[in-house]
Amino acid sequence: DTAVSQTPKYLVTQMGNDKSIKCEQNLGHDTMYWYKQDSKKFLKIMFSYNNKELIINETVPNRFSPKSPDKAHLNLHINSLELGDSAVYFCASSQDFVRTGVYGYTFGSGTRLTVV
Amino acid sequence: QQQVKQSPQSLIVQKGGIPIINCAYENTAFDYFPWYQQFPGKGPALLIAIRPDVSEKKEGRFTISFNKSAKQFSLHIMDSQPGDSATYFCAASPTGGFKTIFGAGTRLFVKA
Repeated sequence: DTAVSQTPKYLVTQMGNDKSIKCEQNLGHDTMYWYKQDSKKFLKIMFSYNNKELIINETVPNRFSPKSPDKAHLNLHINSLELGDSAVYFCASSQDFVRTGVYGYTFGSGTRLTVV
Repeated sequence: QQQVKQSPQSLIVQKGGIPIINCAYENTAFDYFPWYQQFPGKGPALLIAIRPDVSEKKEGRFTISFNKSAKQFSLHIMDSQPGDSATYFCAASPTGGFKTIFGAGTRLFVKA
């Protein structure tokens, strides 16, 4: 029973297209994240949602729009895809640190996006 | 800017050796320092973590050493095994933990 699941696992698309990546967690966590991992394995935070509220929005182009319909889901929509968007995108979740004192993220297996 | 600096970029050790990965940070607002392990095709998985009020933490073969005054911390893997071959990331979180910053990663290869 997967804790943080992302779909699709692979996504190959042409420049200029619009695509979405879906993420769901069944851990009952309050906070969800999107991270981008580039070809050099560097992990960079993009967005963070706590109880469906956007709390972190790093310097990400506004072609990227996250949406959290409920606490268990955080989707990422990307408009007008560019070659430089090619990367692995990871969804993650965590408990409410303030309430539980428990840190640590649980990551999904990633979505490898290739823009051609 | 790179808020958490990690070294080395890659590391090769013999089975049974003790690889050491080092990290340094600047922001004194960080108060939680986790290490993540990532295998190819998988997401990072939390391995071990430490708070700055502790100088060392052990979990199985993995040990974190923490030097608050130097703003440095390191991961030691005792009796390393080929199955430990993976990419290791150090990270740092400020209070609240909503924005964990990762180091650049260290690719470890343990020779059989």
